[in-house]
Amino acid sequence: KQEVTQIPAALSVPEGENLVLNCSFTDSAIYNLQWFRQDPGKGLTSLLLIQSSQREQTSGRLNASLDKSSGRSTLYIAASQPGDSATYLCAVNTNAGKSTFGDGTTLTVKP
Amino acid sequence: EAGVTQFPSHSVIEKGQTVTLRCDPISGHDNLYWYRRVMGKEIKFLLHFVKESKQDESGMPNNRFLAERTGGTYSTLKVQPAELEDSGVYFCASSLRPGQGFGANVLTFGAGSRLTVL
Repeated sequence: KQEVTQIPAALSVPEGENLVLNCSFTDSAIYNLQWFRQDPGKGLTSLLLIQSSQREQTSGRLNASLDKSSGRSTLYIAASQPGDSATYLCAVNTNAGKSTFGDGTTLTVKP
Repeated sequence: EAGVTQFPSHSVIEKGQTVTLRCDPISGHDNLYWYRRVMGKEIKFLLHFVKESKQDESGMPNNRFLAERTGGTYSTLKVQPAELEDSGVYFCASSLRPGQGFGANVLTFGAGSRLTVL
């Protein structure tokens, strides 16, 4: 059974700081891994998708890496801004498309 | 392209009542998923449709929950009778199946339906 863990559960940083969110999973037989952002009371917004054959994906100030063999992914956010404050969720997808989510990391970026 | 649409956005009902949540996936997406997040817990898988067929319903908590996807388009999730512990946010997601094209198994989520059972 796939289990996904996200560390830390909460993170508070001053504006401008670079930060790393961690995601670990127990079963390396994955199809892809997605990072989502959730704002309070809102749905999930897909940030980055890494296929199992890829090592990293970049979008703007975001960079996600994947090390399948060790069961780890990181989301790197450069030059953080107050608008980045949200809950960040890691979801590991099997070939069948069924996703297992972590609990999320709640990020607060202080002006 | 319209995204995944869920209705209602918020429903408040009393214990014992019935609620039906609706999800309209992205047009052409064969895969449709229901997930839910109850207070303080992680988002958990409920079930997976491929077109109108239930592919995996291993996450459905009990027989008070009934999901349908008639015609392979929109889906409904009915809770009858609702209990207090059913309160949470119910998310729907859709994706292309492998072989349907680029982006297979890339989930697009709806905004969720918040259910409050009093």
